[in-house]
Amino acid sequence: SQLAEENPWALSVHEGESVTVNCSYKTSITALQWYRQKSGEGPAQLILIRSNEREKRNGRLRATLDTSSQSSSLSITATRCEDTAVYFCATDADTGYQNFYFGKGTSLTVIP
Amino acid sequence: AQTIHQWPVAEIKAVGSPLSLGCTIKGKSSPNLYWYWQATGGTLQQLFYSITVGQVESVVQLNLSASRPKDDQFILSTEKLLLSHSGFYLCAWRQGEGSDYTFGSGTRLLVI
Repeated sequence: SQLAEENPWALSVHEGESVTVNCSYKTSITALQWYRQKSGEGPAQLILIRSNEREKRNGRLRATLDTSSQSSSLSITATRCEDTAVYFCATDADTGYQNFYFGKGTSLTVIP
Repeated sequence: AQTIHQWPVAEIKAVGSPLSLGCTIKGKSSPNLYWYWQATGGTLQQLFYSITVGQVESVVQLNLSASRPKDDQFILSTEKLLLSHSGFYLCAWRQGEGSDYTFGSGTRLLVI
C-alpha cells in the first residue's frame, strides 16, 4: 500500500506563477523529504523537514509539515521552465528508517 | 565530495538472459546503500538495502538479488530476466536515519 501520496497527479503553470504540491502520508514519521526527478535522471532532494519542524525553506521552495493531519506541502514561487519535473514526497517511517517510501509523484509542467 | 556511479547507463537484454548492474560510492565510508526500481511513469520502489559489507536485506521479491562485495560497491543481478524487469534502476546512499538520499543517475533496462 502507498504510505505517501502526492496530489494532484499532474498540473501545469505558466512561467513566473507559483504552484503548490500536496502530500499525505499514513505513518508516524521522523522526517519527510521532497524530491524532484527530471526526465531520465535520478531524483534529487529538495528539502528535508523533520517531524518537529513546521516549515522549511530553500530558495524559491517552501515546505510545510502538519503532523496532526499527516500532510505536507511544497510550494514553488516564480516558477521557471527548468522546474518541469516529477515531484515526490518520501517518508522515513519511525518504525524503521531503512524502508523509505516514495509517493507516485506529481508531474509539474511549467509553460514558457 | 561523495560521488555515486552506476553502470551501465542503459541495457537492452533478452528475456531469460542474465543481468548485472553495478553501483560504486566514492568518498564515503560505510554508507547505507539502496537499490530502487522505477517503472516508466511510476513511483520508486525500494528493492534492497545494505548497511554493511556482505549484508543485504530484500524489501520486495522481484526475482532479483543483490550483493555488497565491498564497502563501496553494490551489485544487482538476476540469472534470468523477465519482461517485467524493464524499467529504471537507481542506486542510492545515505548517511543514516533522517538524512537525505543521494541517487545515482540510474540504469535504464529494456527487456525484450
